[in-house]
Amino acid sequence: EVQLWESGGGFIQPGGSLRLSCTASGFTFSSYVMNWVRQAPGKGLEWVSLISSGGGTTQYADSVKGRLTISRDNSKNTLYLQMNSLRAEDTAVYYCAKRLATDTPYGMDVWGQGTTVTVSS
Amino acid sequence: AIQMTQSPSSLSASVGDRVTISCRASQGITNDLGWYQQKPGKAPKLLIYAASSLQSGVPSRFSGSGSGTDFTLTISSLQPEDFATYYCLQDYNYPYTFGQGTKLEIK
Repeated sequence: EVQLWESGGGFIQPGGSLRLSCTASGFTFSSYVMNWVRQAPGKGLEWVSLISSGGGTTQYADSVKGRLTISRDNSKNTLYLQMNSLRAEDTAVYYCAKRLATDTPYGMDVWGQGTTVTVSS
Repeated sequence: AIQMTQSPSSLSASVGDRVTISCRASQGITNDLGWYQQKPGKAPKLLIYAASSLQSGVPSRFSGSGSGTDFTLTISSLQPEDFATYYCLQDYNYPYTFGQGTKLEIK
């Protein structure tokens, strides 16, 4: 079964750092582009970041550029999101999501269950 | 960034109704648009990709259409399990952007 499982969320003070992990199973992780998407409490979905299958190309939402860093370790089937200089507005459920196919840019077909990050003093 | 505007933001309908949700992009995005369904406390689920392609395992009562700037998600005959929030997402260029969501409620 194709699965993604996020971990690493928690309660952190403003200005602090946190690293989220997303562990994949059931598919060839190293072949797929991966994304992070977040959802603030009671709000809509916000795309956060993307990384190419090999890790050489990354993209970010303007709201997180320079503070959040996406990376991956294909030997461990794991995606990461390093979160620095955290702000209250980063409070959200963070989902990792797999791109639908290896050869087209469309869609995210497999999502994790989400991990909650709360930034508050 | 490309802005995605969904309408309506909420919608009340009955089981068996035909429902249409619209999404408009602030610039042309060819057919690089997906539709996602989200139920409370759950991760989003991909319904439609490339504007009109039905994701595997999704019931055929869901369909998508459009290209350029205007897109539509249609549910031909609402079922009880379809009451949820629906989002469009443009994956034409970076940053990807979601619509604000349409909450579909039972009338």
